[in-house]
Amino acid sequence: QVQLQQWGAGLLRPSETLSLTCGVFGESFRGYYWTWLRQPPGEGLQWIGDITHSGTTKVNPSLKTRVTISVDASKNQFSLELTSVTAADSGIYYCARSLFLETPDSWGQGTPVTVSS
Amino acid sequence: QSALTQPPSASGSPGQSVTISCTGSSSDVGGYNYVSWYQHHPGEAPKRIIYEVSHRPSGVPDRFSGSKSGNTASLTISGLQAEDEADYFCGSYAGGNNFVFGIGTKVSVL
Repeated sequence: QVQLQQWGAGLLRPSETLSLTCGVFGESFRGYYWTWLRQPPGEGLQWIGDITHSGTTKVNPSLKTRVTISVDASKNQFSLELTSVTAADSGIYYCARSLFLETPDSWGQGTPVTVSS
Repeated sequence: QSALTQPPSASGSPGQSVTISCTGSSSDVGGYNYVSWYQHHPGEAPKRIIYEVSHRPSGVPDRFSGSKSGNTASLTISGLQAEDEADYFCGSYAGGNNFVFGIGTKVSVL
């Protein structure tokens, strides 16, 4: 059974860059969409984007100018960078595994992120 | 993209049934049979319990069932158990590169 374990800094100042990494354990890295989502306080989850093992990415248009999703298939890891963060970027960030057209079937435990001066 | 609408809370006694609704639009829930439901204990990874409207992943008890009518999907928990107390949220494909989720419903077992 696949397990996703995520890590990264959870406290940022405005204008800094959020960096998170997700490790995938227990199953093949191929054939899935490796996904990032976030949930601002009191709001629904927002799909940030995803990447395949070969590096093909899709990003939410509302975040496109600030988001980079990358993959290191040799380590079964994928990463998220979000630049120029503001308080509006605070929330819980999740990595996840998805199939085509599906919302995720497996999730990481979530990383609380707070942006505050 | 607007969040899917769920009631904030639902409750029932052990053994009873609880149904949670998830209302979207013809652009998401009503337009595709890619609706999932998740059980979430805060601080833990969400667990998918229903996919493609009504399918249960291996290992999920058959007490959990899903359905859809028009723009509204529903999750029913039959024979409510204490361990079912959790947050439940829905998610749907919304066309293109869009996915939309509900804020969640807190289910309490009385």
